[in-house]
Amino acid sequence: SQQGEEDPQALSIQEGENATMNCSYKTSINNLQWYRQNSGRGLVHLILIRSNEREKHSGRLRVTLDTSKKSSSLLITASRAADTASYFCATVSRTDSWGKFQFGAGTQVVVTP
Amino acid sequence: DAGITQSPRHKVTETGTPVTLRCHQTENHRYMYWYRQDPGHGLRLIHYSYGVKDTDKGEVSDGYSVSRSKTEDFLLTLESATSSQTSVYFCAITREPYNSPLHFGNGTRLTVT
Repeated sequence: SQQGEEDPQALSIQEGENATMNCSYKTSINNLQWYRQNSGRGLVHLILIRSNEREKHSGRLRVTLDTSKKSSSLLITASRAADTASYFCATVSRTDSWGKFQFGAGTQVVVTP
Repeated sequence: DAGITQSPRHKVTETGTPVTLRCHQTENHRYMYWYRQDPGHGLRLIHYSYGVKDTDKGEVSDGYSVSRSKTEDFLLTLESATSSQTSVYFCAITREPYNSPLHFGNGTRLTVT
């Protein structure tokens, strides 16, 4: 079973608009991470938020974490065509001794000029 | 970019043949992972390693085995390939899973005919 579940599965927006996607998870986590994947490539790490953090920013990215609801959101502000990609959340469980990362199915984002 | 290389990048093989995929890193990271990516499933963990000769199963390990005889190499073997193992395989590494992100290779596209 997947630990992280992204929502929506797909998102289509115009350049300049904001894109928001959500991730829900099931167990207590040590941290939650967001990754981007361009077509035909490996995943690239965007941002890591620890379980004791509520919000984190990196450039045009804003991530929130609500551990009481077991959910996180990724906001991309002022989107660009280059932001077209799939976005995945990944969690590392607090109860996992060996640090297994578990991924959701991802949100596919298309930004049109 | 983290020094991580997967080989081969593409492979076509016949059902029943053995296949070995290689992941090579130059970062001296302790943790290494093999994932497969299929449409609608995101990334699913096959096997992972937390040190030389220390490996364990992930959620979809049936039909796969791994070996790690030295820090830099993590091999994934399909003993007898089946069509259900047609997928894109990603290797990932991390220095420490509770505080550091994963770095991914560019993947191996495997087709089993």
